[in-house]
Amino acid sequence: ETGVTQTPRHLVMGMTNKKSLKCEQHLGHNAMYWYKQSAKKPLELMFVYNFKEQTENNSVPSRFSPECPNSSHLFLHLHTLQPEDSALYLCASSQEPEKLFFGSGTQLSVL
Amino acid sequence: QKEVEQDPGPLSVPEGAIVSLNCTYSNSAFQYFMWYRQYSRKGPELLMYTYSSGNKEDGRFTAQVDKSSKYISLFIRDSQPSDSATYLCAMRSYGQNFVFGPGTRLSVLP
Repeated sequence: ETGVTQTPRHLVMGMTNKKSLKCEQHLGHNAMYWYKQSAKKPLELMFVYNFKEQTENNSVPSRFSPECPNSSHLFLHLHTLQPEDSALYLCASSQEPEKLFFGSGTQLSVL
Repeated sequence: QKEVEQDPGPLSVPEGAIVSLNCTYSNSAFQYFMWYRQYSRKGPELLMYTYSSGNKEDGRFTAQVDKSSKYISLFIRDSQPSDSATYLCAMRSYGQNFVFGPGTRLSVLP
């Protein structure tokens, strides 16, 4: 078990649903990240939070909405997603400027 | 030219072989270098971390960084079927985001 916990592990949702992904890190890190990993594509950075402040929004569509209430928790709120949004969503944390630690991911399927 | 290049494989080797995985990069400002192992549908797991140039060894794994050539390598000795996974290289410069290679898929055949 890593120090970064993601729930749920699997999620199936319709295009009109609203759901949220949750991430919690137990490592005392000061930065948290959301990445998207699609089949046969490199990891895509979506959002970065440093000390709870969003420092990066990598041109992500507004149907993805992040929330970072404190330095240990990160959420990704999803609404009106498209089938092409089906992917593995990974949360990660780091203590700047060093190593990045990932959670196990949420496998999302949009029908 | 992509910022980080990595042969996607797949790479198939027999059990017990020495495996060499490589990445090249273009940004000379990169200082922090990492290798991750990712099993199917799981999150990447940090294997090796190196700051600046040099070698680092951990059990069967050795990471090498050659900043003059902008080239990093991961060697796996006595490879096992459990090493079958996708291996990702990652790097960053201070204050910038991590940049990942596309990953190399490795199969170790019993």
